[in-house]
Amino acid sequence: QVQLQESGPGLVKPSETLSLTCTVSGGSVSENNYYWSWIRQSPGKGLEWIGYIYHSGTTNYSPSLKSRVTISVDTSKNHFSLKLSSVTAADTALYYCARQVEVHSGFFDSWGQGTLVTVSS
Amino acid sequence: DIVMTQSPDSLAVSLGERATITCKSSQSLLYNSNNKNYLAWYQQKPGQPPKLLISWASTRESGVPDRFSGGGSGTDFTLTISSLQAEDVAVYYCQQYYDWVTFGQGTRLEIK
Repeated sequence: QVQLQESGPGLVKPSETLSLTCTVSGGSVSENNYYWSWIRQSPGKGLEWIGYIYHSGTTNYSPSLKSRVTISVDTSKNHFSLKLSSVTAADTALYYCARQVEVHSGFFDSWGQGTLVTVSS
Repeated sequence: DIVMTQSPDSLAVSLGERATITCKSSQSLLYNSNNKNYLAWYQQKPGQPPKLLISWASTRESGVPDRFSGGGSGTDFTLTISSLQAEDVAVYYCQQYYDWVTFGQGTRLEIK
């Protein structure tokens, strides 16, 4: 059974770049038929999809965040990463990584436990 | 963006009774070429990530109790719990995957 685990700083200063990594175990980021995704959850905005990456490196980002988001994958380490630039307090949220089934935009069949990121000086 | 609207925002049901949550999409989620609805349901308990319950509007995931069922087509969908158990207390979300990804705002289910 695939497991995902987020890691990264829990506190980021305004205007800086948020960086998180998701390590996958019990499965491979190189598997066909799955995207590898980031989703965030905040009290104000609920669940918000950020974007995904395929093992080939193909990415797809939410239009509302596209200008600030980069998702990358390292197949040798079996992990994928999120960078969100120029953060503000509005980016404070619980960030999840998830496996997304490759059908149209896909649904999420496995999730990490989530990591809380606070944007504050 | 496709907007997903759930109702009610919160719901209190007695143990053993039926609970029904509604999800409406701002446009049809039915893909005509395969006659499938691109709609999923999740359950989120406190301190846990969402858990996939149902995909394709009505296909229950492996291990999900059969008291959970999904229905509907096009723009109107339901999640029904036929006989509420204490462990079903959670927030439930719908999600469309027809065009990009958007979630409903969530419905909090409690015991009456």
